[in-house]
Amino acid sequence: EADIYQTPRYLVIGTGKKITLECSQTMGHDKMYWYQQDPGMELHLIHYSYGVNSTEKGDLSSESTVSRIRTEHFPLTLESARPSHTSQYLCASSDYRDGYTFGSGTRLTVV
Amino acid sequence: EDQVTQSPEALRLQEGESSSLNCSYTVSGLRGLFWYRQDPGKGPEFLFTLYSAGEEKEKERLKATLTKKESFLHITAPKPEDSATYLCAVQGEYGGSQGNLIFGKGTKLSVKP
Repeated sequence: EADIYQTPRYLVIGTGKKITLECSQTMGHDKMYWYQQDPGMELHLIHYSYGVNSTEKGDLSSESTVSRIRTEHFPLTLESARPSHTSQYLCASSDYRDGYTFGSGTRLTVV
Repeated sequence: EDQVTQSPEALRLQEGESSSLNCSYTVSGLRGLFWYRQDPGKGPEFLFTLYSAGEEKEKERLKATLTKKESFLHITAPKPEDSATYLCAVQGEYGGSQGNLIFGKGTKLSVKP
């Protein structure tokens, strides 16, 4: 079954550590997105990609970076995690016809 | 500028008490309007896509409708398991959103037994 996968589901990590949040999709979608969402709050777009070697920053400024070396893979990296990075990170993908398919999210806690 | 406004922010219903959620939008050429359901701690789950004014779609107790300025999500005889945050999003044909979805802030629905 085609789907979108995020790992890890939960991550607790110390300040200053480097982390990579993984996102993979099996639907062959060109477009992929990363959103940040605090509990009970709205979605904020932080990065998006329209295809391999294409990445753009979203509406919300973020210290994270992304890469798109393969169509199916869109990892997000924080070089030095801080408590202010504590949030839920949601990955999504889409084709050009329909809406987005979201992953289950990674809940990140930086202590 | 493309914009989506959802109301109310929160809605409390008794089980069986029907109601509607509103999504008002401004967009340069509507390509599609989307409704999602989001449970706490999870990613949004796709419900409906509407493409043109007058279009309606139904799924179980939910019915989505679309006009040129707004969309409604009607909930008929809701059950406690319908409790969630409902998100509305639009995709524009042109403009600064570059075809990306513009999300509203959502309506948090609570259905009490």
